[in-house]
Amino acid sequence: ETVMTQSPATLSLSPGETATLSCRASQRIRENYLAWYQQKPGQAPRLLIHGISTRATGVPDRFSGGGSETEFTLSISSLQSEDSAVYFCQHYASWPLTFGGGTKVEIK
Amino acid sequence: EVQLVESGGGLVQPGGSLRLSCAASGFIFTNSPMTWVRQAPGKGLEWVSSTSGSGLNTYYADSVKGRFTISRDNSMSTLHLQLTGLRAEDTAVYYCARDRGYGDHLYNYFDPWGQGTLVTVSS
Repeated sequence: ETVMTQSPATLSLSPGETATLSCRASQRIRENYLAWYQQKPGQAPRLLIHGISTRATGVPDRFSGGGSETEFTLSISSLQSEDSAVYFCQHYASWPLTFGGGTKVEIK
Repeated sequence: EVQLVESGGGLVQPGGSLRLSCAASGFIFTNSPMTWVRQAPGKGLEWVSSTSGSGLNTYYADSVKGRFTISRDNSMSTLHLQLTGLRAEDTAVYYCARDRGYGDHLYNYFDPWGQGTLVTVSS
C-alpha cells in the first residue's frame, strides 16, 4: 500500500498570500497518477487537479499542482476567503487507492 | 447537471447490515465507473470500493473485503453498497462518486461526489 503523507496539518495565511501544500508518497507514483481534492466544511470533496497538474473543469488557475515521483505540491496563489478548506491528495497508480490525511487551510 | 444522491444510512448495531444506494442523474450511468469513499467523523478520506461501468469488475479495500458488496443497477442509474458484519470502525459518512473513466476502464479519480450518507455502528 502506498502511504500518502501531507504537510503541514494546518496552514494559516492572509488573503492574497500563496499557500503551498505538500504531499509525499511512500513509493514512486507511476504515470503521474496523483489528484487533489478540496473539501469545505459540511460539504463533499471536490476534484481540483488530476494527473499532478491538470485542473478540473471550472477550477481557477490560482490552483496549480506540481511535483513528481514521490513529492507533490498544491499551490494556491492570491488566497481568497473562499479557499478556506481541507485539501486532500490521492494517488491512483495502484490498488488500494489511498488519500493523504489532509491539510487545513485557514484564511486569517 | 450531474447529480448523485446517497441514501440508506442510519444507526445499526455491531454485526448488523445496511444497504446504501446512490441515485445518479445528468450523465450516462452505464458508461461510468463508480466508487464509494468514506470519511469517519473528523477524519480523512478512505477509498472503500469501485466498480466498472458494466458492474463486472469490482474492487475493494482490504478493510471491507468479504463484508461489503458493491453493485449497480444500470437500468435504474443506481449504485449500491451492501454492508454486512458492521463494526464500530465502519462508522462514517459514505460518499458515492463518479470515476472519470469510461466503460470498464477506471481512471480512479473522482468527480463529482454526492453529499454522503451517515452510517453509525453502535449498540
